[in-house]
Amino acid sequence: AIQMTQSPSSLSASVGDRVTITCRASQYIRADLGWYQQKPGKAPKLLIYATSSLQGGVPSRFSGSASGTDFTLTISSVQPEDFATYYCLQDYNYPHTFGQGTKLEIK
Amino acid sequence: EVQLVESGGGLVQPGRSLRLSCAASGFKFDDFAIHWVRQAPGKGLEWVSGITWNSDDLGYADSVKGRFTISRDNAKHSLYLHMSSLRVEDTGFYYCAKDRGIRDWDSIDCWGQGTMVTVSS
Repeated sequence: AIQMTQSPSSLSASVGDRVTITCRASQYIRADLGWYQQKPGKAPKLLIYATSSLQGGVPSRFSGSASGTDFTLTISSVQPEDFATYYCLQDYNYPHTFGQGTKLEIK
Repeated sequence: EVQLVESGGGLVQPGRSLRLSCAASGFKFDDFAIHWVRQAPGKGLEWVSGITWNSDDLGYADSVKGRFTISRDNAKHSLYLHMSSLRVEDTGFYYCAKDRGIRDWDSIDCWGQGTMVTVSS
């Protein structure tokens, strides 16, 4: 199975900061990666699909990019509602695999 | 509006079986792959299983392969997960989740609210 190594596991930021979260795939996954936001007690929400495409209704401060097998989620200016846990998911092949998650906390 | 409603969770002893169901509405069910994703209490997300729109391709996480079986009934707009030889580590919230790709793989774009499975003696 493809391993997705996500970093950091936690991150402290202030409102207005730019933050970056990374997922590294253990092998080639094309651009078949999505990013999800999950708040406590809630189902995850899709933010980015196909590495860099913004899901409808998601603010433009969220963006995704890739370099080889390294994938990045960037929040250009963190807002109070962005404090949550973020996951990547590769859907290149079975079994799909999630990263371990990054908890974004208020500094 | 897309809706996915899971049912069938509960408390079960190790080694026993349980079947989860997911009732879908608000979209053309037989055009989309559907997945099961779980989350142990306080832990991260784990993809469990997925099935293509026409059931010709099924996938399982290594942790459940040989014990869990995914199936769907397009006429009933329903997805199922038959779980056997359950282990304590199978405990968690189980989410039914819709793929965004039309008759193709893509990211998961909609989730149910989940059903809790507790495996304990």
